[in-house]
Amino acid sequence: DGGITQSPKYLFRKEGQNVTLSCEQNLNHDAMYWYRQDPGQGLRLIYYSQIVNDFQKGDIAEGYSVSREKKESFPLTVTSAQKNPTAFYLCAVLNDNTEAFFGQGTRLTVV
Amino acid sequence: QKEVEQDPGPLSVPEGAIVSLNCTYSNSAFQYFMWYRQYSRKGPELLMYTYSSGNKEDGRFTAQVDKSSKYISLFIRDSQPSDSATYLCAMREYGNKLVFGAGTILRVKS
Repeated sequence: DGGITQSPKYLFRKEGQNVTLSCEQNLNHDAMYWYRQDPGQGLRLIYYSQIVNDFQKGDIAEGYSVSREKKESFPLTVTSAQKNPTAFYLCAVLNDNTEAFFGQGTRLTVV
Repeated sequence: QKEVEQDPGPLSVPEGAIVSLNCTYSNSAFQYFMWYRQYSRKGPELLMYTYSSGNKEDGRFTAQVDKSSKYISLFIRDSQPSDSATYLCAMREYGNKLVFGAGTILRVKS
């Protein structure tokens, strides 16, 4: 928040469709993360990027893809291979002190 | 075994009570420890940040890290209904990924 913008706030996906979630930051930090949160559960790491043009798989990367072509942007694509994509998706930016700051999230629903 | 264990609660306390929230972890390389508060349908917000062992106080909040026991705590004094939220612990080793606990739901009753 306060420099991290996630869009859209709500997203509806049809079966078999790919959708892309946007995360933009103006905090000028290198590290960006994508988490998934299911109801009543904690945050599970999907992908993270420590620097431009580099990213690593997290704990639940299957069915997701990312790119990091610009420092400001770290979009997440939920592919048709992700069989249970309905969840709350959170993007975070880490500063040099390893403090993570979050966007307000995107709620994805399969219809 | 999960890297970070956190009791999901819910924890229900009366207004004015002292709240203790805890996490245990298995990775002795963790150096950075954080507590986040998350209100329903919102992104988490950073409450406390601690590097290595020791205590840190900020208003009604105190964070403790005991690296020898691999145990961290967040204490909330004079709890208020507005403190009702999910509290997430998070930790990281230098240069590696940030790992979260499952979160504890706290309800403060007026």
